[in-house]
Amino acid sequence: ETGVTQSPTHLIKTRGQQVTLRCSSQSGHNTVSWYQQALGQGPQFIFQYYREEENGRGNFPPRFSGLQFPNYSSELNVNALELDDSALYLCASSLGAGTPTDTQYFGPGTRLTVL
Amino acid sequence: AQTVTQSQPEMSVQEAETVTLSCTYDTSESDYYLFWYKQPPSRQMILVIRQEAYKQQNATENRFSVNFQKAAKSFSLKISDSQLGDAAMYFCAYRSRTSGSRLTFGEGTQLTVNP
Repeated sequence: ETGVTQSPTHLIKTRGQQVTLRCSSQSGHNTVSWYQQALGQGPQFIFQYYREEENGRGNFPPRFSGLQFPNYSSELNVNALELDDSALYLCASSLGAGTPTDTQYFGPGTRLTVL
Repeated sequence: AQTVTQSQPEMSVQEAETVTLSCTYDTSESDYYLFWYKQPPSRQMILVIRQEAYKQQNATENRFSVNFQKAAKSFSLKISDSQLGDAAMYFCAYRSRTSGSRLTFGEGTQLTVNP
């Protein structure tokens, strides 16, 4: 069984640029959630994709967008980067989009630094 | 909106002893799920234990157990026979039964295990 993987591990961008982060879900999982974790804080929910459709969104502006592909891997895109976007971005996959047995398994994260 | 509060930013314990991490949450819902995740320096969030709100029995996973007090909206984690590998940031998380896989996290408790 393959776990959740994310790429790249680290990324440095400058303010105003655009970035794409990638996530491969655990084998058999059809749901992917993205979280932003600022330094010293708990993760904040960005959005969730279930079977290629956005299925819930947190309090993040539209410049945060995503995709889920037929193989259930996912991308997080952030446009017009701001300094406050510097954070660890975590991807989590699960099977069931909120069903009682649904448990999320996390990837190792992508550390984004915006200069 | 649901909120999760962890009032202990840092805790320490001697190896082989027991430590309890506190978590309280606020919700108007009656059916939900609670989780404890561990985040070591490697950054990968690891599920420690989960509790369904409709179950009165406290969950147990080997050395980890919870004290779930639904009326008090309290969900503490007890780690018995602490090991050096238990050192990590611990996050309490809430998931509504009706909001898909979305997790709401607390701010975390940094646990240090002293040899």
